[in-house]
Amino acid sequence: GQQVMQIPQYQHVQEGEDFTTYCNSSTTLSNIQWYKQRPGGHPVFLIQLVKSGEVKKQKRLTFQFGEAKKNSSLHITATQTTDVGTYFCAGRNGYGNKLVFGAGTILRVKS
Amino acid sequence: DTEVTQTPKHLVMGMTNKKSLKCEQHMGHRAMYWYKQKAKKPPELMFVYSYEKLSINESVPSRFSPECPNSSLLNLHLHALQPEDSALYLCASSGDGFTSTDTQYFGPGTRLTVL
Repeated sequence: GQQVMQIPQYQHVQEGEDFTTYCNSSTTLSNIQWYKQRPGGHPVFLIQLVKSGEVKKQKRLTFQFGEAKKNSSLHITATQTTDVGTYFCAGRNGYGNKLVFGAGTILRVKS
Repeated sequence: DTEVTQTPKHLVMGMTNKKSLKCEQHMGHRAMYWYKQKAKKPPELMFVYSYEKLSINESVPSRFSPECPNSSLLNLHLHALQPEDSALYLCASSGDGFTSTDTQYFGPGTRLTVL
């Protein structure tokens, strides 16, 4: 079945450093969604990427969808303590309503 | 209002108890989902309802029984659970569950402990 691999599993950064998490799918995706889950919280929708090569920005967050629609990344510039949490990608291959989640990347920010 | 509500927030139950988790959304969404999430793991899909009909059951044990009374409500009935069923149970909703760009919005979850 479809798999979405996400790396790294953990990332500890100093406040102000950049952070990137990567997702790679075994199959071509119709779209990919990104979620953030704060410690003790629930997944919160951040963004959806649909088009090949798409790049979207939300303040310090930059999301990219690969040309082949099999990989995606989330980059945070100049991390802040409020960025702490687990970031999940979730892909859909266009068949039905099932999202396949990556394992998540846990981000810790040292102030 | 992108809000999905879940009750209760926390639940402790014995293995012989029967309890129910409740989920509600007022976004006009026609698809609703139950996920199970263990610590430091991604959400794991259990059930999907589209237009109040069960469309996906991810081979979930029968001790979990979903119910969708109407398009705004989703229940999960629990009976004879095992300690390994302890987890965060998340409800989500989305537009219709079929459109490829459908976005899922999660509720705050019910943290379940089975003793």
